[in-house]
Amino acid sequence: QKEVEQDPGPLSVPEGAIVSLNCTYSNSAFQYFMWYRQYSRKGPELLMYTYSSGNKEDGRFTAQVDKSSKYISLFIRDSQPSDSATYLCAMIDRDDKIIFGKGTRLHILP
Amino acid sequence: DTGVSQNPRHKITKRGQNVTFRCDPISEHNRLYWYRQTLGQGPEFLTYFQNEAQLEKSRLLSDRFSAERPKGSFSTLEIQRTEQGDSAMYLCASSSPGTAYEQYFGPGTRLTVT
Repeated sequence: QKEVEQDPGPLSVPEGAIVSLNCTYSNSAFQYFMWYRQYSRKGPELLMYTYSSGNKEDGRFTAQVDKSSKYISLFIRDSQPSDSATYLCAMIDRDDKIIFGKGTRLHILP
Repeated sequence: DTGVSQNPRHKITKRGQNVTFRCDPISEHNRLYWYRQTLGQGPEFLTYFQNEAQLEKSRLLSDRFSAERPKGSFSTLEIQRTEQGDSAMYLCASSSPGTAYEQYFGPGTRLTVT
């Protein structure tokens, strides 16, 4: 079992819909959970990070962490075509290294 | 500060040649990380520096790979005797001390080995 599992998609949703992106993980020692957005042929861009369990909101984006289930989510409200990108979940291990998921390709249809 | 920069953005080389990439981090960040990303995968950790000290190296970093950060500012990643399997995007990121969860990435260097 890989440390971080993420469905690669692609996920296609109509503009304005709520998008739900998810990852599962196996290492209970992870404490910080991040979401990155990556446009084609660009470097990843940090969207949000969350410490331990709970929710965090930033504009149209909400990150949720459920450590008991080892499950994290990113919700995007009022999705826009400009949100079309690959979304990477990531976690920090005890040596301060980031472990990334494979990324989910998201397409927002106008 | 304009963020993390990487040069060159693209590099095409023939198998067996050596290549060197450069990363300039955000100026106040003392941590610098190198990652490799292949198509359809997330970035994979290679190595990281705190100031000029190289603190961690992945098993992915074979002896053909070497990274340096001589003055604790910019870093270079060299690949010797390149192989076709080295074709990938090489990403650099930086962070402040104690904030590995808040890494900022550069645009990457895309390497193609023919």
